[in-house]
Amino acid sequence: DAGVIQSPRHEVTEMGQEVTLRCKPISGHNSLFWYRQTMMRGLELLIYFNNNVPIDDSGMPEDRFSAKMPNASFSTLKIQPSEPRDSAVYFCASSLGDRLAVGSYEQYFGPGTRLTVT
Amino acid sequence: GNSVTQMEGPVTLSEEAFLTINCTYTATGYPSLFWYVQYPGEGLQLLLKATKADDKGSNKGFEATYRKETTSFHLEKGSVQVSDSAVYFCALSDSWGKLQFGAGTQVVVTP
Repeated sequence: DAGVIQSPRHEVTEMGQEVTLRCKPISGHNSLFWYRQTMMRGLELLIYFNNNVPIDDSGMPEDRFSAKMPNASFSTLKIQPSEPRDSAVYFCASSLGDRLAVGSYEQYFGPGTRLTVT
Repeated sequence: GNSVTQMEGPVTLSEEAFLTINCTYTATGYPSLFWYVQYPGEGLQLLLKATKADDKGSNKGFEATYRKETTSFHLEKGSVQVSDSAVYFCALSDSWGKLQFGAGTQVVVTP
């Protein structure tokens, strides 16, 4: 399996521009997670989906952030408008599990997208 | 809510030394516990896990035991190598599979 695929790997954009990050989970996985990693705040869960449905978006920083999962093989994280404080590495992860046992299943992480907003 | 506390780094060791990274947690119910490792420029990889009390997870010479009585999941390796230099994250999972990570501990192994 190719693992979790994220694109782009690096993104440099100017403040105010729209940024779209993409993720393809591992085939057959039914849970998908978006994380943000910074030196100051460490790893933060932004949102997660189960069977394409958003379960918990309480980690999304503000209305400028939105995430979609139109089907089981694709998800996007959009920032509009972007700000310098959004600079971070954004990870997507996927896992497999049913409602009763999903907590015991490991999450597989993608390589991340390094976002720099100038 | 759930939380994970792990020792601050960096931890600097010589090759073949013994490594311990402490991790304690607070959680309701019976979470699963994980150790993830992140090498420079890469995403996180699962190192080992334990899903119930007294379980021992092990992989690549690393071990950790799920201790419910002390709410701990300390990571150990008997003889580290330079290639073990990385950031190690302790994490717990709720029933939805949502992970709560610790702050991470950087480990530097010198020849």
